[in-house]
Amino acid sequence: RKEVEQDPGPFNVPEGATVAFNCTYSNSASQSFFWYRQDCRKEPKLLMSVYSSGNEDGRFTAQLNRASQYISLLIRDSKLSDSATYLCVGGSQGNLIFGKGTKLSVKP
Amino acid sequence: DVKVTQSSRYLVKRTGEKVFLECVQDMDHENMFWYRQDPGLGLRLIYFSYDVKMKEKGDIPEGYSVSREKKERFSLILESASTNQTSMYLCASSPLTRTGADYGYTFGSGTRLTVV
Repeated sequence: RKEVEQDPGPFNVPEGATVAFNCTYSNSASQSFFWYRQDCRKEPKLLMSVYSSGNEDGRFTAQLNRASQYISLLIRDSKLSDSATYLCVGGSQGNLIFGKGTKLSVKP
Repeated sequence: DVKVTQSSRYLVKRTGEKVFLECVQDMDHENMFWYRQDPGLGLRLIYFSYDVKMKEKGDIPEGYSVSREKKERFSLILESASTNQTSMYLCASSPLTRTGADYGYTFGSGTRLTVV
C-alpha cells in the first residue's frame, strides 16, 4: 500500500517560533496534497491544500516538491492555539492516504 | 456549511453484540469512507463507497461490513463486536468532480466506541 510518512514528533516550541514539518509520499502518481489539523479527541479538519507553486494562508505556508516527493508545512509566529496534530495527505481524488501525524505543542 | 453527521458521539457495547454506526452527509457527495483511529496507528481505512449500493474493502475490513442504500447515508456494521474493536470511528465524504479538482475529505465528529 502506498504510504505517506511523517515525523511523529512531538515538536515542542515556544510561542512566536517558526516551525516546519516535512513528509514524504511514495506514490509518484499522486495528484492531490493537503495538510489537515486534528485537535485532541476531535476529527481531522482541512487546514490547506498544497500546490506545486506553493501556497500561503496567513501564517501557514505549504510547499510541494514533486521531484523529491515531499510536502512541507511552515508555521510562522506560532500561537498556543496551533497546538495540535498535523496530518500530511497525498493521493488522488477519492483515494487519499493520510500520514500518522506530527504532534505540535506550543508553549508560553 | 458542509456537514457529515455521525449518529453517536460515544457508544458502549458488549462483546458479541451487533453494532451499527450511522453516517449521513448533506453535501450530495459521491464518495464516503469509514476509518478507525487508534493511538500511534493513525487513520486506517475500513471500507469505502464511490456510489450507492457500491462498497469496497479498505485496509482492515475484517469483522466489519457496510451498507449504502442511499447516497447520503453510509453505515458501518460490526457483526459481532470484540474488545479489539474499541476505537474512534470516523466517517468522511468527498465529491466526485468532473474537473478532477480535489477538495479533500470532510470528516464527521467521530464515534468513540468501547466494547466491554
